[in-house]
Amino acid sequence: QKEVEQDPGPLSVPEGAIVSLNCTYSNSAFQYFMWYRQYSRKGPELLMYTYSSGNKEDGRFTAQVDKSSKYISLFIRDSQPSDSATYLCAMSKGGSEKLVFGKGTKLTVNP
Amino acid sequence: DAGVTQSPTHLIKTRGQQVTLRCSPISGHKSVSWYQQVLGQGPQFIFQYYEKEERGRGNFPDRFSARQFPNYSSELNVNALLLGDSALYLCASSLKGYAEAFFGQGTRLTVV
Repeated sequence: QKEVEQDPGPLSVPEGAIVSLNCTYSNSAFQYFMWYRQYSRKGPELLMYTYSSGNKEDGRFTAQVDKSSKYISLFIRDSQPSDSATYLCAMSKGGSEKLVFGKGTKLTVNP
Repeated sequence: DAGVTQSPTHLIKTRGQQVTLRCSPISGHKSVSWYQQVLGQGPQFIFQYYEKEERGRGNFPDRFSARQFPNYSSELNVNALLLGDSALYLCASSLKGYAEAFFGQGTRLTVV
């Protein structure tokens, strides 16, 4: 079993839809949870950074962490065509530990 | 402020050759990590350096090596290139090695 599982999609939604992206993980030692957005042939861009459980909101983006279920989510409200990208979840056991990534979910928002 | 910068952006090498990739972290960041991303996969951890010392190494062969300089910039070296080394190589910097890591644009290496 992989440490981090992420459905690669692809996921296609109409403009304005609410998008839900998810990852599950197996290692209960993970404490730091990140979401990155990666446009084609570019480096990942950090969107959300969360420590331990709970919710975090930043504009149209909301990150949720449920450590009891080993499940994290990213919600995108009022999705835009510019949100079309691959979304990567990443997590770490501790502050100075390596990041472990999911495979990424490819999202297309259609005008 | 400038973000993480990597050079070169693209590179084509022949099997068996050696390659050096370079990374300059965000100003004030003392930790640099290297990741390899093959098409359709998430990045895989190669190395982490903090204050010029190796803090971690991923499951990569000894053909991969890295170092960090006094100005916190870093180089990744890969010897005896294989076709399977073709990938996007990403550098990430963070403050004190914390998980909140910021990535550069990457170097796309093609081995032919």
